[in-house]
Amino acid sequence: DIQMTQSPSFLSASVGDKVTITCRASQDIFNYLAWYQQKPGKVPKLLMYSVSTLQPGVPSRFSGSRSGTDFTLTISRLQPEDFATYYCQNYYNSPRTFGLGTKVEIK
Amino acid sequence: EVQLEESGGGLVQPGGSLRLSCAASGFNFSHYSMNWVRQAPGKGLEWLSYISSTSNVIYYANSVKGRFTMSRDNAKNSLYLQMNNLRAEDTAVYYCARQGGAYFGSAYYYHGMDVWGQGTTVTVSS
Repeated sequence: DIQMTQSPSFLSASVGDKVTITCRASQDIFNYLAWYQQKPGKVPKLLMYSVSTLQPGVPSRFSGSRSGTDFTLTISRLQPEDFATYYCQNYYNSPRTFGLGTKVEIK
Repeated sequence: EVQLEESGGGLVQPGGSLRLSCAASGFNFSHYSMNWVRQAPGKGLEWLSYISSTSNVIYYANSVKGRFTMSRDNAKNSLYLQMNNLRAEDTAVYYCARQGGAYFGSAYYYHGMDVWGQGTTVTVSS
């Protein structure tokens, strides 16, 4: 089964900081990688798919990239509304595993 | 408005069964693959199951394989999750989610899960 190793699990940052979250797949999932944002008590929200394609309405400060089986979510300038938990997900095949999540908190 | 609404959650004893439903509206349900995802209290997201638009492909996570059965009724715009032999560790909020996608030329490209319901809570306890 494909494993998705997400890091860090916790991140403390300030408004305006650049933030990077990584996700490593245990095997090739090509570009079938999505990122989700979840705020406390809320439903997860799709941020981007196919590694780097933003969902409509998602600010351009969010970006994604891939190097082999390593995937990165970058927030260029952290905003107050970005404090949340972020999950990567493989949707290439089954099981369509999520990473364990990265909680981004205010420093 | 594109919407998914789960129902059927509740309190059930270990070993019991429950059937979750997900009603879709505002989009052509029969064109989309669907998923079930759950989140245990204070934990991360766990993908459970996927079903293709015509039900010819169904996948399960190892944690629920053999106990849970996913199905759909396109005529009723509805998705289901039959859960048997429930365990305490199945306690979670259960979400249905649409697998997004679009045609580019003649090829269909899958996106992530772009529409989520509000979730229904399942509690397994004696």
